[in-house]
Amino acid sequence: EPEVTQTPSHQVTQMGQEVILRCVPISNHLYFYWYRQILGQKVEFLVSFYNNEISEKSEIFDDQFSVERPDGSNFTLKIRSTKLEDSAMYFCASGGGGLHEKLFFGSGTQLSVL
Amino acid sequence: GQQLNQSPQSMFIQEGEDVSMNCTSSSIFNTWLWYKQDPGEGPVLLIALYKAGELTSNGRLTAQFGITRKDSFLNISASIPSDVGIYFCAGQTGGSQGNLIFGKGTKLSVKP
Repeated sequence: EPEVTQTPSHQVTQMGQEVILRCVPISNHLYFYWYRQILGQKVEFLVSFYNNEISEKSEIFDDQFSVERPDGSNFTLKIRSTKLEDSAMYFCASGGGGLHEKLFFGSGTQLSVL
Repeated sequence: GQQLNQSPQSMFIQEGEDVSMNCTSSSIFNTWLWYKQDPGEGPVLLIALYKAGELTSNGRLTAQFGITRKDSFLNISASIPSDVGIYFCAGQTGGSQGNLIFGKGTKLSVKP
């Protein structure tokens, strides 16, 4: 069964450093998303991406965040200068689009900012 | 902003018992989704609901989309130990493709 793949599974970084989280969405999907989940809390929407541009973003997705689809298969989330409060599980998701969208999530990258 | 109120927060049940959890909102959603999350994993889609009043089953799971489009419930019948996990409801509004609003989750524990 096709699945969304995320790497790395864990990332530890120092405050102020840049991190790039990587995702390989399901191959025939057109819509890509990043969500995050702070420990013990609900999953929160960060950004959606379609046709090589951001289609929607939340208040969390400020200037420190950026997304890119550098080639036909990868979808990345970059945090330019990490803060302690960026520590969370980051989930990539993809969907085929259409009126009845179903999102399929990856297993996540656990980001720890020290 | 839009919020989903999910209850109960946690449940401790005996294997074989039926379980019910629900989500309500003051907002109308076009789609309701129920996900299960195992520790250290991403949410896995269980059931998707698209029409008001729709009742859908997936094995031992049954979910319904409320007539008002502001609520949904998920039932699990004859629970088994592997049902343990956190169950999230998620709503999607028409104008936000894929922008899911998640509930805070119901943590289910099943005693063998």
